[in-house]
Amino acid sequence: EVQLVESGGGLVQPGGSLRLSCAASGFTFNSYWMHWVRQAPGKGLVWVSRIHGEDSRTAYADSVKGRFTISRDNAKNTLYLQMNSLRAEDTAVYYCASDPDYGGFSFFEYWGQGALVTVSS
Amino acid sequence: DIQMTQSPSSLSASVGDRVTITCRASQRISRYLNWYQQKPGKAPKLLIFAASSLQSGVPSSFSGSGSGTDFTLTISSLQPEDLATYYCQQSYSTPYTFGQGTKLEIK
Repeated sequence: EVQLVESGGGLVQPGGSLRLSCAASGFTFNSYWMHWVRQAPGKGLVWVSRIHGEDSRTAYADSVKGRFTISRDNAKNTLYLQMNSLRAEDTAVYYCASDPDYGGFSFFEYWGQGALVTVSS
Repeated sequence: DIQMTQSPSSLSASVGDRVTITCRASQRISRYLNWYQQKPGKAPKLLIFAASSLQSGVPSSFSGSGSGTDFTLTISSLQPEDLATYYCQQSYSTPYTFGQGTKLEIK
């Protein structure tokens, strides 16, 4: 059974930092792209970042570029999101999602339960 | 960035109804279009990938079609458990973008 379990969310002051983790199991982790997607309270889904399974190529949304860093540890089957210089508008539930890149098509096949990040003084 | 526009933003239908949600991309995206279902308080769930491929375990009452800029998600016979918000998402190029969502209510 595929499982993605996020941790590390919480309350942080504006300008602060937080690191999210996503522990994966039930699939060959290093064969999958992994993504972070966020959802502000009462709002829609917004893609944040992705990382390749083997060569760790990355991409970011403009809204987080230069502030957030995605990384992975394939030996630990864990995905990370380091969030620095946090702003109130970063307040959201953050989901990790796996992407098999099946036949060249990218999609978010499995999702974690989400981690709430609240940026407030 | 590619903009994704869904319509309607909300709809109310009865059990057994055929429901169609449309999604339009601001530029041609071939078949790089996915659909997700999000129930209240839950993580999204993949329904359809590559415009028309049904994800394993998803009821066959769900189907997707389209190519280029115009896509549809169809529920052939609405069930009470289909109460949810539905999102389209393009994976043609980063930044990947979602539609604003369609909130489906059961009459």
